Amino acid sequence: GIQVEQSPPDLILQEGANSTLRCNFSDSVNNLQWFHQNPWGQLINLFYIPSGTKQNGRLSATTVATERYSLLYISSSQTTDSGVYFCAVEEEGGSEKLVFGKGMKLTVNP
Amino acid sequence: DTGVSQDPRHKITKRGQNVTFRCDPISEHNRLYWYRQTLGQGPEFLTYFQNEAQLEKSRLLSDRFSAERPKGSFSTLEIQRTEQGDSAMYLCASSLDLATLSYEQYFGPGTRLTVT
Repeated sequence: GIQVEQSPPDLILQEGANSTLRCNFSDSVNNLQWFHQNPWGQLINLFYIPSGTKQNGRLSATTVATERYSLLYISSSQTTDSGVYFCAVEEEGGSEKLVFGKGMKLTVNP
Repeated sequence: DTGVSQDPRHKITKRGQNVTFRCDPISEHNRLYWYRQTLGQGPEFLTYFQNEAQLEKSRLLSDRFSAERPKGSFSTLEIQRTEQGDSAMYLCASSLDLATLSYEQYFGPGTRLTVT
């Protein structure tokens, strides 16, 4: 099955700094989503981005499907950005399920 | 629309007991998924339904697990004879809005199961 790798696994930032999270996947995809998991376990949708670029406030994402990677940019980070970020993909020609990476833990210090 | 809801939010049970969880999807969605997440890992797929039909089951779903979606609306996930290894967060998601043809999955708050 498809493999999803996220990097870096952990990141510690000072408030106001920018960061880039990377997601590599091993095969073609129909769907790619970025999530933020809050301390209570709720997965919050950030982007649905099988290809192209999207922006939402301080966050933006780019997926280059032909090169099998996606990037999540966080600018001017805030302490509320802390948590675990997941990339998840739906394999092209496969089932409808999402396959998740292991996540990236972000800590933003004041 | 209030999003995906799950009940209960927390469940503590003794090994060997049966437990049942409920998921109510977003009303416009016709696909419903169950995932399991253990500490430090990403969610893993268990099974999914399109309307009332169960279309795929993961190998993670042992014979002790059963899921239903009898009328194509809410779903239940039952675990029989629970084991300590079943302790995890059980997440439900829904997708496929036929009006917009969006396949984006939205997740509920999860049910955290602890087997003692």
